[in-house]
Parts: sequence; structure tokens; C-alpha cells
Amino acid sequence: AQSVAQPEDQVNVAEGNPLTVKCTYSVSGNPYLFWYVQYPNRGLQFLLKYITGDNLVKGSYGFEAEFNKSQTSFHLKKPSALVSDSALYFCAVRGPAGTYKYIFGTGTRLKVLA
Amino acid sequence: EAQVTQNPRYLITVTGKKLTVTCSQNMNHEYMSWYRQDPGLGLRQIYYSMNVEVTDKGDVPEGYKVSRKEKRNFPLILESPSPNQTSLYFCASSSGTSVYEQYFGPGTRLTVT
Repeated sequence: AQSVAQPEDQVNVAEGNPLTVKCTYSVSGNPYLFWYVQYPNRGLQFLLKYITGDNLVKGSYGFEAEFNKSQTSFHLKKPSALVSDSALYFCAVRGPAGTYKYIFGTGTRLKVLA
Repeated sequence: EAQVTQNPRYLITVTGKKLTVTCSQNMNHEYMSWYRQDPGLGLRQIYYSMNVEVTDKGDVPEGYKVSRKEKRNFPLILESPSPNQTSLYFCASSSGTSVYEQYFGPGTRLTVT
């Protein structure tokens, strides 16, 4: 069965420093992976996705993610964090082919300190 | 403006009183889905629909019903709400040509007492 894990409930980083939010996955077949962000009192917004191709995926707001098949990971990264990046981040994996099932992680709260 | 709307945004109700949360999208999307968000559990999919009259269960469908009679609407029905259905609910939609990117509504905070 497909699953996704976000091992950190919270990540703190100083403004201007690089940030990493971790995600590992378990799927049968090729993984379709996503990152979403949730700002306070808002719905989720799509950041980026990996379907196939280049292992480094670039997305919105300067975020990128690195797909690593051998480590079954899809970590979210940004070279220089902003205070406005503080939010709740979710990793997600698409379910079995032929369905519209999605499995989300438990979320990681990112706090960027000024 | 392309958007997913949900109503109501906030609802407090009592156990057993039937309720419906509406979801509508104006992007002509084929795919729609309902999620609930609970602290420590992330988002869990309740039901999804791949097109009109085509619905299927997600991971936590118990206690919920859905229907997809029109492409733009995907209401979530709680026939007999219970306190364990107190949660934040999100509707999402996605295009068939870009099936992987979901657009989320603003959420409905439901409290069942």
C-alpha cells in the first residue's frame, strides 16, 4: 500500500539559511509525489510535483525538491528561507493507477526565525 | 477567478442532525475530492469522484456520503454526524489534463457536539 512519512513535526530555521523539509514514501510502481503548503486559515496550495524525469524539481516561491529513488525520499528544499515561508507543509503521494486516491503525510510545521 | 468554494465555512451542530457541506468549482475539472484534516493525522481522503456519477471511497469514508450529479458540484453529506466527525474539511478539484495538481477550497470547520 502507498504511504508517505514526514518524520519531523516542526522545523526551525533562521531567515536566510537553507531549509529542508523531509519526506519519505512507499509505493508499488512509479511514484507520483507532491508538496503542498498551507498558510494559517487557508486551504492547501500546490508547490511542486515529481512525475518522471529530472530528479530535481523546481516549484513555486523558490522551492525545489529532490527525488531520490534509492532512499525513497522526496525532500523539499529552499536555498534561503524567508519569514513568510513559515507555514504547514504536506508531502503527498498518488495512489494506485486508475484511481484518484491520494495519501498525505502528517505535515511539518516550518518556522523561519527573523 | 478560478476557484473552489465551500459552504458553510463554519458549522456547529448536534449529534444526529443531518448536514450537507457544499463544494463547487468553476474550472470545469473532472476530478473532485473531499479530505478531512485532524491534528497529528494530516489530511485523509474521504471520497473522490473521477467524473459525473463516478465516485469512490478514500481512506476514511465511514459516516459520509457524496454525490456527483453535476460536474461543478460535489457535496459532502453527513447523515447522522457524531463528535468524532468534528474536523476541518477540504474539497479539492483537478483537471483531467493535469490530473495531479489539486486546487483546494478554503475549508469548512465542523464541530459536532
